[in-house]
Amino acid sequence: GENVEQHPSTLSVQEGDSAVIKCTYSDSASNYFPWYKQELGKRPQLIIDIRSNVGEKKDQRIAVTLNKTAKHFSLHITETQPEDSAVYFCAAFTSGTYKYIFGTGTRLKVLA
Amino acid sequence: GAGVSQSPRYKVAKRGQDVALRCDPISGHVSLFWYQQALGQGPEFLTYFQNEAQLDKSGLPSDRFFAERPEGSVSTLKIQRTQQEDSAVYLCASSQGDSNYGYTFGSGTRLTVV
Repeated sequence: GENVEQHPSTLSVQEGDSAVIKCTYSDSASNYFPWYKQELGKRPQLIIDIRSNVGEKKDQRIAVTLNKTAKHFSLHITETQPEDSAVYFCAAFTSGTYKYIFGTGTRLKVLA
Repeated sequence: GAGVSQSPRYKVAKRGQDVALRCDPISGHVSLFWYQQALGQGPEFLTYFQNEAQLDKSGLPSDRFFAERPEGSVSTLKIQRTQQEDSAVYLCASSQGDSNYGYTFGSGTRLTVV
């Protein structure tokens, strides 16, 4: 079945540095890729998403890039802050299906 | 309402007990989803409703799991004869229309089966 691999599982960076999280998907028909941030005990919150007709999208300190040929996409966080510390999940969605396939998550720690 | 509301937030059930988890989606949202999130894992799809129609229940792990959305708004996920492996956070999400883009998740119900 479809799956999404996410790396790394944990990531520690110094405040102000950049963080990059990578995901690879298996279904070449996937066409929508959201990223969710989940703080401990809280709901996953959509932070950025990208559709398959673009290669990059940016929103302030957060950007997502998509390589359809290689079937991978990445989350980039610049100038990290302690409040960026959370678990980040990528997901892939294919039109005509009903479900997101989530990665296993990356625990990001931003050290002050 | 302003967001997706789930209740209860926490539920402890004895093994073999039946439980019912409630989800109030954002008002007017057509699509409603249930996901199961085990500790340290990403959410895994359980089932999907478009209005009152359950269009996909392929993720329900066994016939002990049952979901309904009889009036196309509030949904209930029921688990019969709970087992320890059912312990997880159960997340509900809704989205506007039937596009399934950009879910809004609820805070989830943490179920612990003892």
